[in-house]
Amino acid sequence: QSALTQPASVSGSPGQSITISCTGTSSDVGGYNYVSWYQHHPGKAPKLMIFDVSNRPSGVSDRFSGSKSGNTASLTISRLQAEDEADYYCDSYTVSGTWVFGGGTKLTVL
Amino acid sequence: QLQLQESGPGLVKPSETLSLTCTVSGGSISSSGYYWGWIRQPPGKGLEWIGNIYYSGSAYYNPSLKSRVTISVDMSKNQFSLRLSSVTAADTAIYYCTRRRSSSSCRDSWGQGTLVTVSS
Repeated sequence: QSALTQPASVSGSPGQSITISCTGTSSDVGGYNYVSWYQHHPGKAPKLMIFDVSNRPSGVSDRFSGSKSGNTASLTISRLQAEDEADYYCDSYTVSGTWVFGGGTKLTVL
Repeated sequence: QLQLQESGPGLVKPSETLSLTCTVSGGSISSSGYYWGWIRQPPGKGLEWIGNIYYSGSAYYNPSLKSRVTISVDMSKNQFSLRLSSVTAADTAIYYCTRRRSSSSCRDSWGQGTLVTVSS
């Protein structure tokens, strides 16, 4: 299985909105509504931010939202804050019953 | 609140078997509706899914690791384990144990992670 495709880096200024894409195929992202997004600060465990494409776990800011169109899922962070600076990963269920991650996106808050 | 804690050797020799255990507290590993799994992150690289298991023993593995990986559950100890055989330097990584809700991508509980280095 091939890793999902994410941009290596994105950046934005405080208060702005950014969107990170996660592109797969009809055998993973496009075929199921089982896509998650994780925020990862170095030295810490990844934190679930979005699951099942667009659901937010309890306690996650509503500045984070997820969506999907075809084989591409997206994470949008609005009203960007300095604390949002981190690595972000998507993952998806696959037709084989396995899971596959994206390569990760480094978010820089300017 | 559910907590997961990885344990095991931090150094493994090439060609040997890496063994890690994840101890679950604040909940039962035999609760229906959850998969227990392992994810790793090599230094400077991204996250890689290794595999997961249901308490009944049904397991799924990353195809690229399938020939070397075994995940098992010990309900009496409320633990699950990872064994990765014939390790090389490429298996050096931080290993995380996780819990995922079944019929969902909700992987909401993670251990703190443990670094395993493969070196002679």
